[in-house]
Amino acid sequence: GAGVSQSPSNKVTEKGKDVELRCDPISGHTALYWYRQSLGQGLEFLIYFQGNSAPDKSGLPSDRFSAERTGGSVSTLTIQRTQQEDSAVYLCASSLVAGGMAYEQYFGPGTRLTVT
Amino acid sequence: KQEVTQIPAALSVPEGENLVLNCSFTDSAIYNLQWFRQDPGKGLTSLLLIQSSQREQTSGRLNASLDKSSGRSTLYIAASQPGDSATYLCAVMNSGYSTLTFGKGTMLLVSP
Repeated sequence: GAGVSQSPSNKVTEKGKDVELRCDPISGHTALYWYRQSLGQGLEFLIYFQGNSAPDKSGLPSDRFSAERTGGSVSTLTIQRTQQEDSAVYLCASSLVAGGMAYEQYFGPGTRLTVT
Repeated sequence: KQEVTQIPAALSVPEGENLVLNCSFTDSAIYNLQWFRQDPGKGLTSLLLIQSSQREQTSGRLNASLDKSSGRSTLYIAASQPGDSATYLCAVMNSGYSTLTFGKGTMLLVSP
């Protein structure tokens, strides 16, 4: 079946503009995760959804970052008033969480965000 | 706070060698540990997942072991091939099925 998809694959924006990044998880996966990968920083967790609720938002770096998930499926990560330090690859992953177990996280190809 | 360390940071081997990549983590209260590979400019591909109750997992030429009490995992690659060249990432999941904490990765180069 189809994997995790993300759009756009690349986004160049001017400092101060808002951007929206989209993630389509694997059908039936209840959990959805956003991560960010920056040069020299490695991969860092941003937010986790179980269904449409976000029990863990601890990784969001500032209040300019927000995310929502609708219908237990598609998720949108929004960055307001973008700054140059927001430039990174934003990765989305999904997994099945059931019966007290968390299964493999499958990653999308990422959105490369460049803030000029 | 969980910290994950991968050693070595980079490894270069000739084709055909068996090799071991190491991962250590500071908090042993994990739910699972997952190994990924990442090719340049690409996303992450899941290789193996080991639940906290398991000791090892195997897939083809790959074998991953987990020693939760000592906070260590190893990824063994048998008979390496040039196509194995990539960055290998280790990640652990702690409570609440949420955060995966990643190591910085081991960049592997297998030369023909």
